[in-house]
Amino acid sequence: SQQGEEDPQALSIQEGENATMNCSYKTSINNLQWYRQNSGRGLVHLILIRSNEREKHSGRLRVTLDTSKKSSSLLITASRAADTASYFCATDGGAQKLVFGQGTRLTINP
Amino acid sequence: DGGITQSPKYLFRKEGQNVTLSCEQNLNHDAMYWYRQDPGQGLRLIYYSQIVNDFQKGDIAEGYSVSREKKESFPLTVTSAQKNPTAFYLCASRVWTSGYTGELFFGEGSRLTVL
Repeated sequence: SQQGEEDPQALSIQEGENATMNCSYKTSINNLQWYRQNSGRGLVHLILIRSNEREKHSGRLRVTLDTSKKSSSLLITASRAADTASYFCATDGGAQKLVFGQGTRLTINP
Repeated sequence: DGGITQSPKYLFRKEGQNVTLSCEQNLNHDAMYWYRQDPGQGLRLIYYSQIVNDFQKGDIAEGYSVSREKKESFPLTVTSAQKNPTAFYLCASRVWTSGYTGELFFGEGSRLTVL
């Protein structure tokens, strides 16, 4: 079962613009995590936000979490060509495993 | 350098053959996971293990088998019973945490193609 659903499925923006991706989930969670995957590679952890947190920052990344709406957003500011990748949200529902969404494919155009 | 090593990176299999994908980690992590990724899709959990000699089925375990005889190793066998095995397979590990699932560290993946 895939709990997280990302929106949009694909996003194309110009370098320097901000990129926003959204994730919705169905059941209660301990935490929500965001990962990045470059084409044909493994996933890399970006940020973890706990269920009692509302916002978290890491460099050019900003993550928000609204547990009442069961949704999260990932904002990448001042995008760069190197940010081109797929981004996945993953939820920890308490069973010692993560459930991943379908991902958002982000393309940064020079 | 610590990390997770998956091998082989590319593997071709004839129908009816079993194949084993290797996953080794030197991070001293307790928990290990196998995910399957199909083109343009998210990750689906096949099996996971929290301690040596113990593992649990994920959402799509049918046609797969695993073992966890050593802490650092978690091989995945794709059996002939798996109807559509062509996919990208990802192994991951993490530090054991009580009460929640923390950050996963991933290998670079193994791409299996059935001819």
